[in-house]
Amino acid sequence: EAGVAQSPRYKIIEKRQSVAFWCNPISGHATLYWYQQILGQGPKLLIQFQNNGVVDDSQLPKDRFSAERLKGVDSTLKIQPAKLEDSAVYLCASSLDVFSYNSPLHFGNGTRLTVT
Amino acid sequence: KQEVTQIPAALSVPEGENLVLNCSFTDSAIYNLQWFRQDPGKGLTSLLLIQSSQREQTSGRLNASLDKSSGRSTLYIAASQPGDSATYLCAVSSYNTDKLIFGTGTRLQVFP
Repeated sequence: EAGVAQSPRYKIIEKRQSVAFWCNPISGHATLYWYQQILGQGPKLLIQFQNNGVVDDSQLPKDRFSAERLKGVDSTLKIQPAKLEDSAVYLCASSLDVFSYNSPLHFGNGTRLTVT
Repeated sequence: KQEVTQIPAALSVPEGENLVLNCSFTDSAIYNLQWFRQDPGKGLTSLLLIQSSQREQTSGRLNASLDKSSGRSTLYIAASQPGDSATYLCAVSSYNTDKLIFGTGTRLQVFP
C-alpha cells in the first residue's frame, strides 16, 4: 500500500512569512495527525482529525497555526506568521482505527521547516 | 501529566551485540505502548505495539516487553547490525489524555 505522502520535503522562510504543508494519508485511514518534532525531541501532537472532524487541537497555537482536512482525506497545516521557534520537522501520520491509538500510526517523511 | 523518558540518549555498539533500550513512563493508566524507529530525515516507522493487557511483543530480532505497574518497557534487539542504526522512540497513549506521548528517543549506532 502507498504510504503517507507529505510535501514539500523542505521549506526555508523568513520570520513573519506564511507557509503551508500538505498531507495525503493512507487510503481508508480515518484518523490523521499532525506532529511537530523539534530537533532532539520526540514528536508533539498538534492536531488530530477523525474523518474531517477535529478531535484534539489543544496543543495547536491557534493564533498562528491552522489546519483542515478536506472531505476527510487530504489535510493542510498552515503557519501564519511564522516565528523562529517554529523551525522543526512537521510530521503527518494516519491510522486505520477511528478509536485513538488502537492501531499503529503510519508516518510520512515529514516537512523540515527552517525559519530565519 | 504523562511523561516518557528514554535511557540512554545515545548508544554506540559493535555489530553482533544484543541491546536493551529502556523506556519509562509516569502514568500507568495506558491503552498501549508503541516503539518506533526513525532514520535521519525520515518519518517514524512503527516497530511494535503492545496493548496494556499484553506483556510482550516480538517481531524478528526485536522483542518489546511491558511492565505497566512499574511504568517500564524495554526494547531488546538481538544480534545487532549496522542497518539497525537509527533513533528509537517509545510512545504511550494514556487514558487521561488520549494522546500519544513520545519520549525523546535513543540514538543507536551499530558499527561494523
